[in-house]
Parts: sequence; C-alpha cells; structure tokens
Amino acid sequence: DAGVTQSPTHLIKTRGQQVTLRCSPKSGHDTVSWYQQALGQGPQFIFQYYEEEERQRGNFPDRFSGHQFPNYSSELNVNALLLGDSALYLCASSPEDTSASYEQYFGPGTRLTVT
Amino acid sequence: AQKVTQAQTEISVVEKEDVTLDCVYETRDTTYYLFWYKQPPSGELVFLIRRNSFDEQNEISGRYSWNFQKSTSSFNFTITASQVVDSAVYFCALSEAAYTGANSKLTFGKGITLSVRP
Repeated sequence: DAGVTQSPTHLIKTRGQQVTLRCSPKSGHDTVSWYQQALGQGPQFIFQYYEEEERQRGNFPDRFSGHQFPNYSSELNVNALLLGDSALYLCASSPEDTSASYEQYFGPGTRLTVT
Repeated sequence: AQKVTQAQTEISVVEKEDVTLDCVYETRDTTYYLFWYKQPPSGELVFLIRRNSFDEQNEISGRYSWNFQKSTSSFNFTITASQVVDSAVYFCALSEAAYTGANSKLTFGKGITLSVRP
C-alpha cells in the first residue's frame, strides 16, 4: 500500500517564476492538505482540498493556489516566487470517514529553493 | 487563536538516558486533539500519537510515554532509554475539532531537535 507521494523531490526556481508541486494521497484517502515548512520551523498550514474544492485555508497570500483532481491527487501552485518561499512543502492526506482515526499521513515533501 | 510552544529547541543526551520533550498549547476550543510527530532527516513526518481533549489518561507505548495535563495545558513526551535511532526533530501539534477532526488543520510547534549520542 503506497503512502503519500510527492513530486518532484527537489526544485530550484528563480524569483518571479511560477512552480507546481504534486501530491498523490494514500490509497483510500480523499482529503489533501498542504503545509509549508521553512528551515528550522514547524510546518504551517496552507490549505486543504476535499471534493475538488478548497475547504480550509491558512494565512497565505493568493499567490498560493491549488487544485484537486477527481482521483484525489492535488497540486500546489505558487506564482511570482519570492526568496521567502524557499521551504519544504509537505502534503498530507486523510480519509473523510468520520470513524477513521484522526491522523494525517504526510509525504516526504518537496524541497523548493528560490534563488 | 491556537498556539503550540515547544520551549526547548535542542536536546542532546547520551544513549540509554531518559529524555522529556515539553509541549504547551493554547486554544479556546473545548474539544481539540493533540499530536506528536517525529521528523527524521529524510523529512517525512511520522505520526507518533494522538490524544483528544477528553482523555487525560497517560499513555505508554514501548519506550515512549506521554503525559497530558489539561490543568497546565501541557502534553509532554518522554523517551525512556534513548537510542541513536531516536535522533530526529519532534513536533507537537494541535488541531481543533472542526469537520471530522481528521481533517482539521494542524498547528505545529517549532520542534525540538533531539540528538542521541552513542
């Protein structure tokens, strides 16, 4: 049973560019959340997708947008990249089933470097 | 607003020592969930435990134990007889009971870097 997968593993972009990160949730999971983890900090919640719609959003600017596909996979898009966007981007998936344990499964992350 | 404070930033111990990682949280919710995650150098967050706000029973799992005290808003984590493989960054996290709980956003502390020397 594959866990949460993310691609790419590493990415280097230049200021002002746009980037797309991808996430495939764990089998059976239909909710995907994205987190940004700056170096030496804890992860910060960006947003969550369920049924192809953004359901919750953290304190991030509109430059951060996302999408969820019918197969529950998700993309995180960041426009007009800033140096401060350099971070590890983590994807987490969980089931919507209310009887399931309250746990989000995290992927290995995508390390984004903005130069 | 929710907040998680992990005042310790780095802890270094010698193998076989016991070590306690502190976590203090703030929330106005009466129903909430507390978590501990481990992040090894590979970067992936590994779930260790979940505790809901109505269950103050302490829990032990092998060498790991957790002490939840609502009176002091603390959820501390103890590793007994530490091993080199325990070296990692440990995060305490809090979620509100919105939606199904499983899908509430997590608020993380800044993490504690634990180094266990042989």
